[in-house]
Amino acid sequence: NAGVTQTPKFQVLKTGQSMTLQCAQDMNHNSMYWYRQDPGMGLRLIYYSASEGTTDKGEVPNGYNVSRLNKREFSLRLESAAPSQTSVYFCASRRPWDRGIYGYTFGSGTRLTVV
Amino acid sequence: GIQVEQSPPDLILQEGANSTLRCNFSDSVNNLQWFHQNPWGQLINLFYIPSGTKQNGRLSATTVATERYSLLYISSSQTTDSGVYFCAVEETSGSRLTFGEGTQLTVNP
Repeated sequence: NAGVTQTPKFQVLKTGQSMTLQCAQDMNHNSMYWYRQDPGMGLRLIYYSASEGTTDKGEVPNGYNVSRLNKREFSLRLESAAPSQTSVYFCASRRPWDRGIYGYTFGSGTRLTVV
Repeated sequence: GIQVEQSPPDLILQEGANSTLRCNFSDSVNNLQWFHQNPWGQLINLFYIPSGTKQNGRLSATTVATERYSLLYISSSQTTDSGVYFCAVEETSGSRLTFGEGTQLTVNP
Protein backbone atom coordinates (compact mmCIF):
# COMPACT_ATOMS: atom_id res chain seq x y z
CA ASN A 1 0.00 0.00 0.00
CA ALA A 2 1.92 3.05 -1.29
CA GLY A 3 -0.45 5.74 0.09
CA VAL A 4 0.02 9.07 -1.70
CA THR A 5 2.70 9.19 -4.40
CA GLN A 6 4.03 12.43 -5.88
CA THR A 7 6.28 12.93 -8.87
CA PRO A 8 8.74 14.41 -9.41
CA LYS A 9 10.52 14.83 -6.06
CA PHE A 10 12.67 17.73 -7.28
CA GLN A 11 12.36 20.12 -10.20
CA VAL A 12 14.10 23.28 -11.39
CA LEU A 13 12.26 25.48 -13.88
CA LYS A 14 13.10 28.66 -15.67
CA THR A 15 10.71 31.59 -15.36
CA GLY A 16 7.91 31.19 -17.88
CA GLN A 17 8.24 27.42 -18.29
CA SER A 18 5.30 25.14 -17.60
CA MET A 19 5.08 21.83 -15.80
CA THR A 20 2.64 19.42 -14.20
CA LEU A 21 3.04 17.89 -10.77
CA GLN A 22 1.52 14.44 -10.51
CA CYS A 23 -0.20 12.89 -7.53
CA ALA A 24 -1.82 9.48 -7.15
CA GLN A 25 -3.37 7.69 -4.17
CA ASP A 26 -4.24 4.02 -3.86
CA MET A 27 -6.51 4.24 -0.80
CA ASN A 28 -9.78 4.78 -2.69
CA HIS A 29 -10.22 8.22 -1.09
CA ASN A 30 -12.71 10.64 -2.59
CA SER A 31 -11.05 13.93 -1.61
CA MET A 32 -7.63 15.10 -2.73
CA TYR A 33 -5.67 18.29 -2.07
CA TRP A 34 -2.69 20.35 -3.17
CA TYR A 35 -0.79 22.44 -0.61
CA ARG A 36 2.31 24.56 -0.80
CA GLN A 37 4.81 25.18 1.99
CA ASP A 38 7.07 28.19 2.00
CA PRO A 39 10.08 28.49 4.34
CA GLY A 40 9.12 28.98 7.97
CA MET A 41 5.43 28.65 7.27
CA GLY A 42 2.66 26.14 7.56
CA LEU A 43 1.01 24.54 4.56
CA ARG A 44 -1.47 26.59 2.55
CA LEU A 45 -4.19 25.09 0.39
CA ILE A 46 -3.95 25.73 -3.36
CA TYR A 47 -6.81 23.60 -4.77
CA TYR A 48 -8.81 20.63 -3.70
CA SER A 49 -11.14 18.08 -5.21
CA ALA A 50 -13.93 16.79 -3.00
CA SER A 51 -14.76 14.03 -5.46
CA GLU A 52 -14.00 12.86 -8.98
CA GLY A 53 -15.11 15.53 -11.44
CA THR A 54 -15.07 18.46 -9.01
CA THR A 55 -12.38 20.97 -8.11
CA ASP A 56 -12.39 24.08 -5.91
CA LYS A 57 -10.01 26.90 -5.13
CA GLY A 58 -8.24 27.07 -1.83
CA GLU A 59 -6.39 29.90 -0.15
CA VAL A 60 -3.69 30.53 -2.82
CA PRO A 61 -4.94 29.36 -6.27
CA ASN A 62 -3.50 32.11 -8.49
CA GLY A 63 -1.05 30.83 -11.10
CA TYR A 64 -2.19 27.21 -10.84
CA ASN A 65 -4.63 24.87 -12.51
CA VAL A 66 -5.67 21.38 -11.48
CA SER A 67 -7.17 18.28 -13.06
CA ARG A 68 -8.88 15.42 -11.28
CA LEU A 69 -8.14 12.81 -13.91
CA ASN A 70 -9.93 9.98 -12.11
CA LYS A 71 -10.49 8.91 -8.53
CA ARG A 72 -6.82 8.06 -8.03
CA GLU A 73 -5.05 11.00 -9.70
CA PHE A 74 -5.00 14.75 -9.08
CA SER A 75 -2.50 16.88 -10.98
CA LEU A 76 -1.31 20.46 -10.44
CA ARG A 77 -0.19 22.54 -13.40
CA LEU A 78 1.91 25.67 -13.51
CA GLU A 79 1.30 27.29 -16.91
CA SER A 80 3.97 29.99 -16.65
CA ALA A 81 6.21 29.49 -13.66
CA ALA A 82 7.31 32.48 -11.58
CA PRO A 83 10.00 32.73 -8.88
CA SER A 84 7.21 33.30 -6.32
CA GLN A 85 6.12 29.73 -6.98
CA THR A 86 9.35 28.35 -5.60
CA SER A 87 8.09 26.15 -2.80
CA VAL A 88 7.55 22.62 -1.60
CA TYR A 89 4.29 21.16 -2.88
CA PHE A 90 2.39 18.50 -1.01
CA CYS A 91 -0.48 16.39 -2.24
CA ALA A 92 -2.89 14.83 0.24
CA SER A 93 -5.97 12.68 0.31
CA ARG A 94 -8.72 12.45 2.91
CA ARG A 95 -10.06 9.25 4.31
CA PRO A 96 -13.87 9.18 4.55
CA TRP A 97 -15.58 8.81 7.91
CA ASP A 98 -15.09 5.27 9.15
CA ARG A 99 -15.94 4.22 12.70
CA GLY A 100 -15.21 7.67 14.04
CA ILE A 101 -11.85 7.94 12.36
CA TYR A 102 -10.94 9.96 9.35
CA GLY A 103 -7.91 11.97 8.49
CA TYR A 104 -5.50 13.22 5.90
CA THR A 105 -2.51 11.41 4.41
CA PHE A 106 0.26 13.40 2.75
CA GLY A 107 2.71 12.58 0.00
CA SER A 108 6.43 13.14 0.43
CA GLY A 109 6.44 16.46 -1.43
CA THR A 110 7.88 18.03 -4.57
CA ARG A 111 10.59 20.61 -4.10
CA LEU A 112 10.24 23.15 -6.93
CA THR A 113 12.68 25.93 -7.68
CA VAL A 114 11.92 28.59 -10.29
CA VAL A 115 14.94 30.59 -11.45
CA GLY B 1 -11.98 30.91 7.76
CA ILE B 2 -10.75 29.20 10.86
CA GLN B 3 -7.59 30.49 12.53
CA VAL B 4 -4.97 28.17 14.01
CA GLU B 5 -2.29 29.46 16.35
CA GLN B 6 0.59 27.39 17.69
CA SER B 7 2.93 28.16 20.53
CA PRO B 8 5.76 28.43 21.15
CA PRO B 9 7.15 29.11 17.66
CA ASP B 10 10.55 27.76 18.67
CA LEU B 11 11.67 25.42 21.42
CA ILE B 12 15.14 24.19 22.31
CA LEU B 13 15.54 21.29 24.72
CA GLN B 14 18.22 19.08 26.14
CA GLU B 15 17.80 15.41 25.48
CA GLY B 16 15.65 13.83 28.18
CA ALA B 17 13.54 16.93 28.88
CA ASN B 18 9.77 17.09 28.58
CA SER B 19 7.79 19.63 26.57
CA THR B 20 4.27 20.80 25.83
CA LEU B 21 3.19 22.31 22.52
CA ARG B 22 -0.09 24.19 22.25
CA CYS B 23 -2.59 24.69 19.43
CA ASN B 24 -5.49 27.14 19.68
CA PHE B 25 -8.22 27.25 17.07
CA SER B 26 -10.98 29.75 16.51
CA ASP B 27 -14.02 27.62 15.62
CA SER B 28 -15.57 24.19 16.05
CA VAL B 29 -13.73 21.37 14.29
CA ASN B 30 -14.48 17.96 12.82
CA ASN B 31 -10.89 16.91 12.81
CA LEU B 32 -7.60 17.88 14.42
CA GLN B 33 -4.30 16.29 13.52
CA TRP B 34 -0.79 16.70 14.83
CA PHE B 35 2.04 16.19 12.34
CA HIS B 36 5.78 15.97 12.70
CA GLN B 37 7.81 17.26 9.76
CA ASN B 38 11.21 15.62 9.92
CA PRO B 39 14.43 17.24 8.68
CA TRP B 40 13.87 15.58 5.28
CA GLY B 41 10.57 17.38 4.90
CA GLN B 42 8.27 14.40 5.33
CA LEU B 43 4.99 14.98 7.13
CA ILE B 44 4.32 12.21 9.60
CA ASN B 45 0.88 11.96 11.14
CA LEU B 46 1.17 11.69 14.92
CA PHE B 47 -2.42 11.86 16.12
CA TYR B 48 -5.93 12.25 14.85
CA ILE B 49 -7.57 13.83 17.89
CA PRO B 50 -10.67 16.02 17.49
CA SER B 51 -11.38 15.50 21.19
CA GLY B 52 -10.11 13.57 24.20
CA THR B 53 -6.68 12.16 24.96
CA LYS B 54 -4.45 9.70 23.13
CA GLN B 55 -1.02 8.30 23.83
CA ASN B 56 1.58 6.72 21.59
CA GLY B 57 4.81 5.85 23.36
CA ARG B 58 6.51 9.03 24.59
CA LEU B 59 3.97 11.23 22.86
CA SER B 60 0.50 12.07 23.98
CA ALA B 61 -2.11 14.60 22.93
CA THR B 62 -5.19 16.14 24.48
CA THR B 63 -7.86 18.18 22.75
CA VAL B 64 -10.45 20.16 24.70
CA ALA B 65 -12.89 20.90 21.90
CA THR B 66 -15.22 23.05 24.03
CA GLU B 67 -12.32 25.39 24.85
CA ARG B 68 -10.80 25.15 21.35
CA TYR B 69 -7.29 24.03 22.12
CA SER B 70 -5.07 21.00 21.84
CA LEU B 71 -1.82 20.08 23.58
CA LEU B 72 0.95 17.79 22.40
CA TYR B 73 3.19 16.34 25.10
CA ILE B 74 6.64 14.98 24.38
CA SER B 75 8.32 13.18 27.27
CA SER B 76 11.97 12.17 27.59
CA SER B 77 12.79 13.94 24.34
CA GLN B 78 15.35 12.49 21.93
CA THR B 79 17.39 14.13 19.19
CA THR B 80 15.22 12.35 16.64
CA ASP B 81 12.24 14.34 17.91
CA SER B 82 13.72 17.45 16.31
CA GLY B 83 11.76 19.02 13.49
CA VAL B 84 8.61 21.06 13.05
CA TYR B 85 5.36 20.09 14.71
CA PHE B 86 2.18 21.20 13.00
CA CYS B 87 -1.36 21.30 14.24
CA ALA B 88 -4.01 21.20 11.52
CA VAL B 89 -7.78 21.40 11.82
CA GLU B 90 -10.81 20.80 9.66
CA GLU B 91 -13.69 23.07 10.63
CA THR B 92 -17.19 21.64 10.85
CA SER B 93 -18.39 23.71 7.89
CA GLY B 94 -15.70 22.52 5.49
CA SER B 95 -13.68 19.61 4.17
CA ARG B 96 -10.22 21.10 4.07
CA LEU B 97 -7.34 21.09 6.51
CA THR B 98 -6.00 24.41 7.83
CA PHE B 99 -2.51 24.44 9.30
CA GLY B 100 -0.89 26.45 12.02
CA GLU B 101 2.57 27.88 11.44
CA GLY B 102 4.24 25.17 13.46
CA THR B 103 6.61 24.81 16.40
CA GLN B 104 10.27 24.30 15.52
CA LEU B 105 11.69 21.85 18.06
CA THR B 106 15.41 21.32 18.48
CA VAL B 107 16.61 18.62 20.86
CA ASN B 108 20.30 18.85 21.69
CA PRO B 109 22.34 15.84 22.84
